[in-house]
Amino acid sequence: AQKITQTQPGMFVQEKEAVTLDCTYDTSDPSYGLFWYKQPSSGEMIFLIYQGSYDQQNATEGRYSLNFQKARKSANLVISASQLGDSAMYFCAMRENTGNQFYFGTGTSLTVIP
Amino acid sequence: DTEVTQTPKHLVMGMTNKKSLKCEQHMGHRAMYWYKQKAKKPPELMFVYSYEKLSINESVPSRFSPECPNSSLLNLHLHALQPEDSALYLCASSPWHRDSGNTIYFGEGSWLTVV
Repeated sequence: AQKITQTQPGMFVQEKEAVTLDCTYDTSDPSYGLFWYKQPSSGEMIFLIYQGSYDQQNATEGRYSLNFQKARKSANLVISASQLGDSAMYFCAMRENTGNQFYFGTGTSLTVIP
Repeated sequence: DTEVTQTPKHLVMGMTNKKSLKCEQHMGHRAMYWYKQKAKKPPELMFVYSYEKLSINESVPSRFSPECPNSSLLNLHLHALQPEDSALYLCASSPWHRDSGNTIYFGEGSWLTVV
């Protein structure tokens, strides 16, 4: 079974609008971390935001926020006020406390339209 | 700017060549990683070094040989590669190897083309 599922291969958003990128996960470990990364065409994987499984509040970092719904096992990334520079591939990832692995989803390609 | 530095950014090598990819971090992290990424796919883990010792080898062919000379440096030695090894190679580091809250920080990657 997939540990991380991203169901949106591609998304388009108008500049200055908000966009939500979906991520669902599967784990039986009570302690885990959820991460979002941005990868522009240059190749660098840029860490955006982290949410711990025991965190009570949704994580926020500037224009990025993570909509964490533990019961639904979802960790959607919300980007507010989209900018042209937000056009990139976005990967959701999970790390379990018991394992060695860092699981990545298949990614969502976001295009911001002027 | 990333605090994980990779060199070279681009490398073209023949199938009989020997080359190396280099990675350096100065964040005091004790775990370092090599990932391979093909176009439009997520990164795939190759190796993990924890406290300078090889901790994970994801059944990577022996034509890829990792080396961790010290806690700040990670090399990937390449020999007799195949064209299908052409990919983006990402180095990463994290404070330590385990723990669910351990963020992995990536370098800018090395684009490898095997001809």
